[in-house]
Amino acid sequence: GENVEQHPSTLSVQEGDSAVIKCTYSDSASNYFPWYKQELGKRPQLIIDIRSNVGEKKDQRIAVTLNKTAKHFSLHITETQPEDSAVYFCAAGLANYGGSQGNLIFGKGTKLSVKP
Amino acid sequence: NAGVTQTPKFQVLKTGQSMTLQCAQDMNHEYMSWYRQDPGMGLRLIHYSVGAGITDQGEVPNGYNVSRSTTEDFPLRLLSAAPSQTSVYFCASSYSFGETQYFGPGTRLLVL
Repeated sequence: GENVEQHPSTLSVQEGDSAVIKCTYSDSASNYFPWYKQELGKRPQLIIDIRSNVGEKKDQRIAVTLNKTAKHFSLHITETQPEDSAVYFCAAGLANYGGSQGNLIFGKGTKLSVKP
Repeated sequence: NAGVTQTPKFQVLKTGQSMTLQCAQDMNHEYMSWYRQDPGMGLRLIHYSVGAGITDQGEVPNGYNVSRSTTEDFPLRLLSAAPSQTSVYFCASSYSFGETQYFGPGTRLLVL
């Protein structure tokens, strides 16, 4: 089955710096890669996702890149702000639209701290 | 539009007791799932459903049962609670797998 490794487990940056979180996956069939942000005591929220037919996707200060050959994908946050402080989770799964697949495997998370 | 709701918010059980964690969504989502979250372990998928009457096992299904008789509801049953099931449980839903998944507020379960 799928296995997702996420690094680093903790990351501390100064406000305004960039932050990069990396994930690797094991199942080459996986084609859906979402990223979630979870603030302390809150529920996870999707911040960006990418599918295997795309190499990069951006949404304002957040971007995700995917390297299918190497089976890794990364989250990039630019111009970090204190409100970016949270735990970030990557995940991987196989989405066969209209089918029966639904197994999403998460990484163990990265705790990002942005110091003002 | 309440989104994804979960009850109860917090529960204490004794070993061997049974209980059902409730999850409901009012967004007409076909895909629903249950996760448990333990410190340092991230989110682990317990069971999921791609539509009413269809369920399947996730990463850690042992000790849990689910059913999906309606599109709106996806209850999670613990038949005989064990201390290892102490965790925070999240229910989530999306239009289909691979679309934006919305999480409920979570249920904190303590098994003594």
